[in-house]
Amino acid sequence: NAGVMQNPRHLVRRRGQEARLRCSPMKGHSHVYWYRQLPEEGLKFMVYLQKENIIDESGMPKERFSAEFPKEGPSILRIQQVVRGDSAAYFCASSPMQSKTQYFGPGTRLLVL
Amino acid sequence: SQQGEEDPQALSIQEGENATMNCSYKTSINNLQWYRQNSGRGLVHLILIRSNEREKHSGRLRVTLDTSKKSSSLLITASRAADTASYFCATDPPSYTGANSKLTFGKGITLSVRP
Repeated sequence: NAGVMQNPRHLVRRRGQEARLRCSPMKGHSHVYWYRQLPEEGLKFMVYLQKENIIDESGMPKERFSAEFPKEGPSILRIQQVVRGDSAAYFCASSPMQSKTQYFGPGTRLLVL
Repeated sequence: SQQGEEDPQALSIQEGENATMNCSYKTSINNLQWYRQNSGRGLVHLILIRSNEREKHSGRLRVTLDTSKKSSSLLITASRAADTASYFCATDPPSYTGANSKLTFGKGITLSVRP
């Protein structure tokens, strides 16, 4: 059973470009979470999704950031018009129904030049 | 704001010694979990303790929870060089009605185990 997969592992963008981060949850997991980690910091919650539904987006910046988890395919975290402050590691986690434990992917490290 | 605050921020011990890491939190919780993160990698779940539990064991790990003090400790016994990593506590809030919920992480503790 493959773990949570994220791609790309590393992403370099220039200011003003768009970044698309993908996350494939573990098989059988219907809940996906996105977190952001700045250097020397803990993870900050961004958004929690189920298939085709956003359950909690209280941690998402109001502008430029969006997330989806379509019926088919991976979950996507999209950052439009990136700025240097968006440089961070973005982690996706998934969990099965009725579970508090989250299983994390290896992360996507975004660098904005 | 961070819910969990771990201390110490960094800990260096000799292989074979025990490592004790503490976490304090501010608001009520349903559960508290500890995760490990190796450098440049994702987080790995170690152990979950419910708010009505006081102590839990898993292999060389022992976790305690004191809800009156809003604190938890993680003890790793007989440490190994492979235990070198960052350790995070994470809480989920009682306001969530479903079983699944977001987690709030502390800043983490960097543990170095010297061979």
